[in-house]
Amino acid sequence: DVKVTQSSRYLVKRTGEKVFLECVQDMDHENMFWYRQDPGLGLRLIYFSYDVKMKEKGDIPEGYSVSREKKERFSLILESASTNQTSMYLCASRGGGNDEQYFGPGTRLTVT
Amino acid sequence: SQQGEEDPQALSIQEGENATMNCSYKTSINNLQWYRQNSGRGLVHLILIRSNEREKHSGRLRVTLDTSKKSSSLLITASRAADTASYFCATGGSGNTGKLIFGQGTTLQVKP
Repeated sequence: DVKVTQSSRYLVKRTGEKVFLECVQDMDHENMFWYRQDPGLGLRLIYFSYDVKMKEKGDIPEGYSVSREKKERFSLILESASTNQTSMYLCASRGGGNDEQYFGPGTRLTVT
Repeated sequence: SQQGEEDPQALSIQEGENATMNCSYKTSINNLQWYRQNSGRGLVHLILIRSNEREKHSGRLRVTLDTSKKSSSLLITASRAADTASYFCATGGSGNTGKLIFGQGTTLQVKP
């Protein structure tokens, strides 16, 4: 079974802090994704990566950056956290010739 | 950008009844997928239907796709209390990035 893990289930940070969200998958998948989920808005794609060191902006990349130094790990970085980045963050991976995405359990981030 | 629009936004039924959720989308697609999310958790892939397919079954799930109307429906038969969750449709385009565009979701409550 594919396993996607995220570094924290719950996180509380202060405005202006630099925040790192880590995601690791164990199935050698090429593609990895970061979404944020907000009530009434569904899932929105922040960034995705289709290979090591390769990244592409999603629909809402402003205020975020990503890093993929190793195939199994995809990090989301909030350079200077703001209260409007309070949200549920979901990581997913895809690969092996399949189209479905495998999701981690999510990180609920609160910025105060 | 939101591709999928789901209807209804919320659905409440009794155990044993069938639940039908609908999804409409705007652009051409390669496939359409349905995911389930239990409260506060990550998404789990349920079923995928390709653009050249009209209907697909998996256990108590039945998915239809009408590309001429740009719409899909998910039917859950003989619902159980454990089916209580949010359900999302997601559309995949051509290309190898595997990007999906998610709808806003339907919240299903199955009362025992």
